[in-house]
Amino acid sequence: GGIITQTPKFLIGQEGQKLTLKCQQNFNHDTMYWYRQDSGKGLRLIYYSITENDLQKGDLSEGYDASREKKSSFSLTVTSAQKNEMAVFLCASSDRGEQYFGPGTRLTVL
Amino acid sequence: GDSVTQTEGLVTLTEGLPVMLNCTYQTAYSTFLFWYVQHLNEAPKLLLKSSTDNKRTEHQGFHATLHKSSSSFHLQKSSAQLSDSALYYCALSFYAQGLTFGLGTRVSVFP
Repeated sequence: GGIITQTPKFLIGQEGQKLTLKCQQNFNHDTMYWYRQDSGKGLRLIYYSITENDLQKGDLSEGYDASREKKSSFSLTVTSAQKNEMAVFLCASSDRGEQYFGPGTRLTVL
Repeated sequence: GDSVTQTEGLVTLTEGLPVMLNCTYQTAYSTFLFWYVQHLNEAPKLLLKSSTDNKRTEHQGFHATLHKSSSSFHLQKSSAQLSDSALYYCALSFYAQGLTFGLGTRVSVFP
């Protein structure tokens, strides 16, 4: 088995601030994902990466950057936090179509 | 683009009664369909997956059958338990691309 770790668990920022969320996986999976979860809106794909140094935009990529410098880690940056950005950000990795999710980072913007 | 429509909002039921959550989808490609379950303050976990037409898939008492002719993948359980109270998502994927999720259905099971 393996595990996905997300840090921090809770992130509080100021409007306009640049904020970075980190994700680590030890499954040795090639593909990793970032999703945003809003109440009543399901999960929406922000970015994914098929391999190290690869980045693919999802439907919700505007306002975010991502980085995949090594196979085991995938970072997401909120380029300028907005008050309506309060949500849970979920990282996932996949093997043969099945995605495994981390516990999430809950973002609050003051 | 791809889309998933599932039973919306909150489903409340009494322990021991059957559960059925609807899921229909639209996609131009052959895909995998999934049901994920998310308990309170936990990560979503895979419950069922299928890419085979008309084949019943079962896990932990839940079952679903992918029907490509009607683009459906409904989730069923014959007898709900209190521990089934959770948020359920239907989703589809095309190879390594990210999942497209429905809006989620919250299930609350009461004694």
